[in-house]
Amino acid sequence: AQSVTQLGSHVSVSEGALVLLRCNYSSSVPPYLFWYVQYPNQGLQLLLKYTTGATLVKGINGFEAEFKKSETSFHLTKPSAHMSDAAEYFCAVRENQAGTALIFGKGTTLSVSS
Amino acid sequence: EAGVAQSPRYKIIEKRQSVAFWCNPISGHATLYWYQQILGQGPKLLIQFQNNGVVDDSQLPKDRFSAERLKGVDSTLKIQPAKLEDSAVYLCASSLEGLAGRETQYFGPGTRLLVL
Repeated sequence: AQSVTQLGSHVSVSEGALVLLRCNYSSSVPPYLFWYVQYPNQGLQLLLKYTTGATLVKGINGFEAEFKKSETSFHLTKPSAHMSDAAEYFCAVRENQAGTALIFGKGTTLSVSS
Repeated sequence: EAGVAQSPRYKIIEKRQSVAFWCNPISGHATLYWYQQILGQGPKLLIQFQNNGVVDDSQLPKDRFSAERLKGVDSTLKIQPAKLEDSAVYLCASSLEGLAGRETQYFGPGTRLLVL
């Protein structure tokens, strides 16, 4: 069965610092991978996704993630944090076949201080 | 383009009462999902519809939860009777889905349920 592990339930960075949110997955086949962001009292918004092709994926708001099959990882990064990046981030995985469910990690709360 | 609409946004009920949530997906989206998000956890899929047929309801507690998607558009999720552990945010999502798995799911704002 697929699973997603997000290391660190809470990450704190200073404004302008590098953001690194970690995600590891377990899957018998290379899956589709997603990062979502959730602001307070709002639904989830897609940041980026990997399906096929280039393993470095660029998303919205300056975020990017790299699919590393050998490490079963899909870590999310942003070179310079902004106060508006403070939110909860979810990594999710889905098998590349019809009708399978999207499996979410437990989430990482990102705090950004000035 | 209008997003996924959900109502109500908040609901407080007592245990053993019933409650219903409504979702209107993005126009043209064939696939609709209901997720349960308990505080401190990621969303968990309850049920997935393709048009008005059920694709996956393996995680739906069928003794108390039910969902329908009449005419392949709007959907309702019902809990009867509610338990304390049902307190959560219920998220609806939709996608263009050809069941290939790579399509983006678009989420509504959710309904926050508190069972007392």
